[in-house]
Amino acid sequence: GNSVTQMEGPVTLSEEAFLTINCTYTATGYPSLFWYVQYPGEGLQLLLKATKADDKGSNKGFEATYRKETTSFHLEKGSVQVSDSAVYFCALSDGYGGATNKLIFGTGTLLAVQP
Amino acid sequence: GAVVSQHPSWVICKSGTSVKIECRSLDFQATTMFWYRQFPKQSLMLMATSNEGSKATYEQGVEKDKFLINHASLTLSTLTVTSAHPEDSSFYICSASGQVDYNEQFFGPGTRLTVL
Repeated sequence: GNSVTQMEGPVTLSEEAFLTINCTYTATGYPSLFWYVQYPGEGLQLLLKATKADDKGSNKGFEATYRKETTSFHLEKGSVQVSDSAVYFCALSDGYGGATNKLIFGTGTLLAVQP
Repeated sequence: GAVVSQHPSWVICKSGTSVKIECRSLDFQATTMFWYRQFPKQSLMLMATSNEGSKATYEQGVEKDKFLINHASLTLSTLTVTSAHPEDSSFYICSASGQVDYNEQFFGPGTRLTVL
């Protein structure tokens, strides 16, 4: 079945450091891929998404490229800030990303950015 | 943006009692709501999908008689954990989608259930 594997945390970085959170997936067909972020005490928010191979999703300085050949969707940011401290979830949807398609989540990666 | 709330944010109950968790879309009409469960350091697992006015569709392995879901209006869905036991202790999260953007789910902040 479909699944998502992401690197375990916590990831601790200093402010302005480069961030990579790895995410790989297993899926049949052509899934849509997502990164969600959960700030302390809040619900999950969609950070970015990509719906087909080689698409790059980007938002708030974060980027992730849909790599079909390596079945990956790694999250990157060139310079993290303390305000980026949160839990990041990689997810896939086995449809075209429509809301009624099921989301399958990774385990989440806690990012802690120190000043 | 679209806001989804959950109530209560945490609840502690005795084994054998029932607990109701509410999920509300505050500023949009949610035609579809989803209920997830999350164990510590594990993924969010989809429990069921509910459409307003219809019976919920449960994922394989989820007991529908134990986890009762009602989606009676376009802004409210409820999850009732019946005859709760310690193994039901978990973090329950809802999401909603609807007229704001059918392609995105908006998540509530979650409810921590502890069954003693």
